[in-house]
Amino acid sequence: RKEVEQDPGPFNVPEGATVAFNCTYSNSASQSFFWYRQDCRKEPKLLMSVYSSGNEDGRFTAQLNRASQYISLLIRDSKLSDSATYLCAVNSRGFGNEKLTFGTGTRLTIIP
Amino acid sequence: GAGVSQSPSNKVTEKGKDVELRCDPISGHTALYWYRQSLGQGLEFLIYFQGNSAPDKSGLPSDRFSAERTGGSVSTLTIQRTQQEDSAVYLCASSSIGTSGNHEQYFGPGTRLTVT
Repeated sequence: RKEVEQDPGPFNVPEGATVAFNCTYSNSASQSFFWYRQDCRKEPKLLMSVYSSGNEDGRFTAQLNRASQYISLLIRDSKLSDSATYLCAVNSRGFGNEKLTFGTGTRLTIIP
Repeated sequence: GAGVSQSPSNKVTEKGKDVELRCDPISGHTALYWYRQSLGQGLEFLIYFQGNSAPDKSGLPSDRFSAERTGGSVSTLTIQRTQQEDSAVYLCASSSIGTSGNHEQYFGPGTRLTVT
């Protein structure tokens, strides 16, 4: 089993719709969780950290479910500019300043 | 402020040659990471620096790969005797502690390496 798994998609969603992605992780000691966005031929850009209590940033909501070992990302009122690949990342060692393990990404296309 | 910078942005080299990739982290970030991303693949961890030391080199694929960091800032990743399977985008990231206490990593634009 991979350390971090994501549904690769593609998700083709009409503009204005709500879309949600899940990401599962295998190491129960993991402490830090993140969502990144990657556009074609660009570097990953940090979208948001995922806090234990869940957190929201505008149209984006991230949640952590430790019992089931997954994180989620919800995008409301999707825009054409949201089209990208979304990567989840987990600090699998359970410590602070160490490597992230990334999922392979979920590709999202917003359709006009 | 300035983000992570990497050079060169693109590098084409012949099989068997050595290459050196450079990363300038965000000023003040003590941790620096190298990852690589092959076409259609996820990000693969290579090595992590805390200051000038590398507590975790577990991701380096072979002894042809080495990295160093000097002055707690710039890092270079060296690949000796390059092979075609080394072709990938090499990404550098540096981290700070965010408001949540998470060590948020910020990536540079990468170096696209092509071995012919």
